[in-house]
Amino acid sequence: DTAVSQTPKYLVTQMGNDKSIKCEQNLGHDTMYWYKQDSKKFLKIMFSYNNKELIINETVPNRFSPKSPDKAHLNLHINSLELGDSAVYFCASSRMGGGHNEQFFGPGTRLTVL
Amino acid sequence: QQQVKQSPQSLIVQKGGISIINCAYENTAFDYFPWYQQFPGKGPALLIAIRPDVSEKKEGRFTISFNKSAKQFSLHIMDSQPGDSATYFCASLSNSGYALNFGKGTSLLVTP
Repeated sequence: DTAVSQTPKYLVTQMGNDKSIKCEQNLGHDTMYWYKQDSKKFLKIMFSYNNKELIINETVPNRFSPKSPDKAHLNLHINSLELGDSAVYFCASSRMGGGHNEQFFGPGTRLTVL
Repeated sequence: QQQVKQSPQSLIVQKGGISIINCAYENTAFDYFPWYQQFPGKGPALLIAIRPDVSEKKEGRFTISFNKSAKQFSLHIMDSQPGDSATYFCASLSNSGYALNFGKGTSLLVTP
């Protein structure tokens, strides 16, 4: 009965490769997010989708491309991986935007770029 | 991106003591201030949140105190327990209302 799930949990890859992280939520939420947590544990919003529409794109390099095939899924594709992309990526969802709504986070995907 | 300034960066408290973490925020369109708790290897989880029509909210051992004029809010953990050892993040909502702006986190260690 996992609420927000992500795959894979760990991802180790070489510089220059392309990789994807998948996220699914079974909470019936309309809004989904991607956050990046760096080595100092700082959490920063990357993208937000509401009803499959992109709402927020926070100055993320265009090597990162989110895709939302339906309201329950928000995948993250990363092209030409760089060393600086190494981080933990969290998917989250909430019932709606507009404030006051709890965001539920997935378990994270630890990406290591060698 | 709006800033939320959080302090201290780390905190060590003895079992049974009070843990206090402070945050200061800039102007925000939404009066909603949550605290998230994160254990190692896990995603953040909502601990407690306040909508500042009140100056304080209490849930069990956890209390948020809010000072709107000073643009500050704080988390108090009473009777701190070793199981409370985690990283705590304060946050505010972005102007769009669709994303959380997090503080830099406080690593709390409660010693037995």
